[in-house]
Amino acid sequence: GQNIDQPTEMTATEGAIVQINCTYQTSGFNGLFWYQQHAGEAPTFLSYNVLDGLEEKGRFSSFLSRSKGYSYLLLKELQMKDSASYLCAVSRGSTLGRLYFGRGTQLTVWP
Amino acid sequence: DVKVTQSSRYLVKRTGEKVFLECVQDMDHENMFWYRQDPGLGLRLIYFSYDVKMKEKGDIPEGYSVSREKKERFSLILESASTNQTSMYLCASSSTTMDRRNTEAFFGQGTRLTVV
Repeated sequence: GQNIDQPTEMTATEGAIVQINCTYQTSGFNGLFWYQQHAGEAPTFLSYNVLDGLEEKGRFSSFLSRSKGYSYLLLKELQMKDSASYLCAVSRGSTLGRLYFGRGTQLTVWP
Repeated sequence: DVKVTQSSRYLVKRTGEKVFLECVQDMDHENMFWYRQDPGLGLRLIYFSYDVKMKEKGDIPEGYSVSREKKERFSLILESASTNQTSMYLCASSSTTMDRRNTEAFFGQGTRLTVV
């Protein structure tokens, strides 16, 4: 299997900034996805990184370092509705179509 | 609006029953997946398919089989349901680009299966 690690839980307050880290060890790395999943709902796509660097999309940004096997998801100006599980997923070129998911980070945003 | 549709939101079945979970996507995606999600274990891949009539085992295929007779439909079959198959089942689909990169996966709303 693939080693994809992310913290189990994080907490933060409204208006703050939080960084969720993901480390991975895999061969044939092809790209890294971040998904958001609210309780009882399906995961929804947030971001996709293929090259090193930061991808910004509104309040959410995602960073990738391929040499370090490391990514993070940065959430700014936190809102209560950002309370959810955040899933890191790795794509490998040798296994067409398949994603390898981490166990998810449960983020709780307090007022 | 893109759609992955699972046939049931909630199901209750008895031990030993044969159970069919259906998934349909309208995006002409090549790849389709079945996951189960359990607290503390995350998403675990059961089976996936990258083409019609093609299937590949995921990490936990035991006790399950799949069928993909048409591109848009991917079925998960529990041959003889057991209580340890009580879980949330998620179907997903995605595409693969010409340079062998995966596009994002789109998920269905999930089927919460309880086996009693």
